[in-house]
Amino acid sequence: KQEVTQIPAALSVPEGENLVLNCSFTDSAIYNLQWFRQDPGKGLTSLLLIQSSQREQTSGRLNASLDKSSGRSTLYIAASQPGDSATYLCATGDSGGYNKLIFGAGTRLAVHP
Amino acid sequence: NAGVTQTPKFRVLKTGQSMTLLCAQDMNHEYMYWYRQDPGMGLRLIHYSVGEGTTAKGEVPDGYNVSRLKKQNFLLGLESAAPSQTSVYFCASTPPSRQGAFFGQGTRLTVV
Repeated sequence: KQEVTQIPAALSVPEGENLVLNCSFTDSAIYNLQWFRQDPGKGLTSLLLIQSSQREQTSGRLNASLDKSSGRSTLYIAASQPGDSATYLCATGDSGGYNKLIFGAGTRLAVHP
Repeated sequence: NAGVTQTPKFRVLKTGQSMTLLCAQDMNHEYMYWYRQDPGMGLRLIHYSVGEGTTAKGEVPDGYNVSRLKKQNFLLGLESAAPSQTSVYFCASTPPSRQGAFFGQGTRLTVV
């Protein structure tokens, strides 16, 4: 059974720092891996999607990498801003089809001015 | 473009009452899902559907039923609500190709 772990559970940093959020998974036979952002009381917003054949994806200040063999993904946030404060969730797509997602518990990020 | 819309956004139920959560998507996606999110835990899959008229169990299906009578709608039912079903419920949809999931804004359900 796939298990997804995110470290750290919470992170508080000053504005401007470069950040790395970690996601690990136990079964390397994944369909894809997706990073989401969740603001308090809100739904999930997709940030980056990495297919199983890809190594990384970039969007603006965000870069996500995927290493299937080691069961790891990292989300890199450059030059963090207070508006980046949110919970970040990673999820692996089920290789059995139908893109069922297995989620980590998330990293709660606070960026203070 | 509304995306994925959930109704209602908040609800309080008494133990033993029933209710239906509605999810509607306007992206013509084949696959739809219901997840629940509990404090300190990631989202867990309750049921999913890979097309109109089809449903399947996810990781935590007990106490819930679903129906997909129309492609754009996916209903989640609680026949006899229990306090353990207090949670935030999220609906999601994806196309069958290798694209990411789109989520609704969630329904916060409290069972007292």
